[in-house]
Amino acid sequence: EDKVVQSPLSLVVHEGDTVTLNCSYEVTNFRSLLWYKQEKKAPTFLFMLTSSGIEKKSGRLSSILDKKELFSILNITATQTGDSAVYLCAVARAGGTSYGKLTFGQGTILTVHP
Amino acid sequence: DTGVSQDPRHKITKRGQNVTFRCDPISEHNRLYWYRQTLGQGPEFLTYFQNEAQLEKSRLLSDRFSAERPKGSFSTLEIQRTEQGDSAMYLCASSSRDRTLIYGYTFGSGTRLTVV
Repeated sequence: EDKVVQSPLSLVVHEGDTVTLNCSYEVTNFRSLLWYKQEKKAPTFLFMLTSSGIEKKSGRLSSILDKKELFSILNITATQTGDSAVYLCAVARAGGTSYGKLTFGQGTILTVHP
Repeated sequence: DTGVSQDPRHKITKRGQNVTFRCDPISEHNRLYWYRQTLGQGPEFLTYFQNEAQLEKSRLLSDRFSAERPKGSFSTLEIQRTEQGDSAMYLCASSSRDRTLIYGYTFGSGTRLTVV
């Protein structure tokens, strides 16, 4: 059975701090790893990673995947109160009827204080 | 792109009652997924449609749960004889194959079910 473990489960920081969120996974026939941000309701897409060692960046957020160690990190620099949310990591399998099905981790609750 | 729409947003029901939720995906998306999320956990996969065909169902989807997508557009998720353990957020998501390869998929805002 596919498994995704995120750490830490919660994190409290002050504005301006840099945070690193971790995601480790076990999945049969890996296709991609995704990061989502969930504030109140719907998770919103951040990144999809398929290749090892290639960093994806969007503003203050960046993420990288290590397919050998089955691990990904999400970095947020110069945090703002608007970054407060649950960050979800998920993995997708390749091919077959499971195409597109995601297995999620528990999430990391990030709280940014002013 | 009007987004994925779910109805109702909240539902409170008594134990033993049946409930039905609706999901309207983004119109050009042929793939539709249902997930369930309980407090403090990530979403758990329930079932997946490609057009009108239900291609996969999780073991979490007991015989009290049924999902349909009769014309390959909107989908319904019905829970019969609800139990308190069914209390959760039910999330719907949609995608097209090409979009899934790049962006994952788009979630709706969910239906929060409370069974009392």
